[in-house]
Amino acid sequence: SQQGEEDPQALSIQEGENATMNCSYKTSINNLQWYRQNSGRGLVHLILIRSNEREKHSGRLRVTLDTSKKSSSLLITASRAADTASYFCATDPSGSARQLTFGSGTQLTVLP
Amino acid sequence: KAGVTQTPRYLIKTRGQQVTLSCSPISGHRSVSWYQQTPGQGLQFLFEYFSETQRNKGNFPGRFSGRQFSNSRSEMNVSTLELGDSALYLCASSLRGDYGYTFGSGTRLTVV
Repeated sequence: SQQGEEDPQALSIQEGENATMNCSYKTSINNLQWYRQNSGRGLVHLILIRSNEREKHSGRLRVTLDTSKKSSSLLITASRAADTASYFCATDPSGSARQLTFGSGTQLTVLP
Repeated sequence: KAGVTQTPRYLIKTRGQQVTLSCSPISGHRSVSWYQQTPGQGLQFLFEYFSETQRNKGNFPGRFSGRQFSNSRSEMNVSTLELGDSALYLCASSLRGDYGYTFGSGTRLTVV
């Protein structure tokens, strides 16, 4: 079963705009990770935020984590057509950093 | 450095047959995990191996099994294939899970 829900399920924006995706989860976590997947291929690790962190940046990516609300958001600034992909949040709920539980994903389409 | 390599990329099998999928992790990574991705269930954890030992197993029937060799390469086996086993099978390796995982491109299994 999946731990989290992602919102929205699909998002379509114009190039240059910002894209925000949200993730909610159910159990306490060690960390939360975001991954990108292009057209049913492998997942690419984007960013990891630990449970004691509230915000993290990596290039055009900004991730926030609110453990009290059990939620996270991923912001992609100045989107490009190449950002078109599915984005998944994944939590390590076990405390042992060995098993990821994925959300249902957000399909992002960036229109040129 | 080379990424995670999964073979074969595509596979078509008949119901009742068995299949073996292979994964070579990034050099130095001793943890290897397997995930199943389907349109209906999304990404689900199968099992995780470290130093040839299965440390964690997801909620899958006993038809799904795996192993890890001394060089960290891993295989997963599915016996008595069912139509519902059609999926993208992803392998991921990590140095330490709390640094994120590197995924292979996956093996797409179709059971007919």
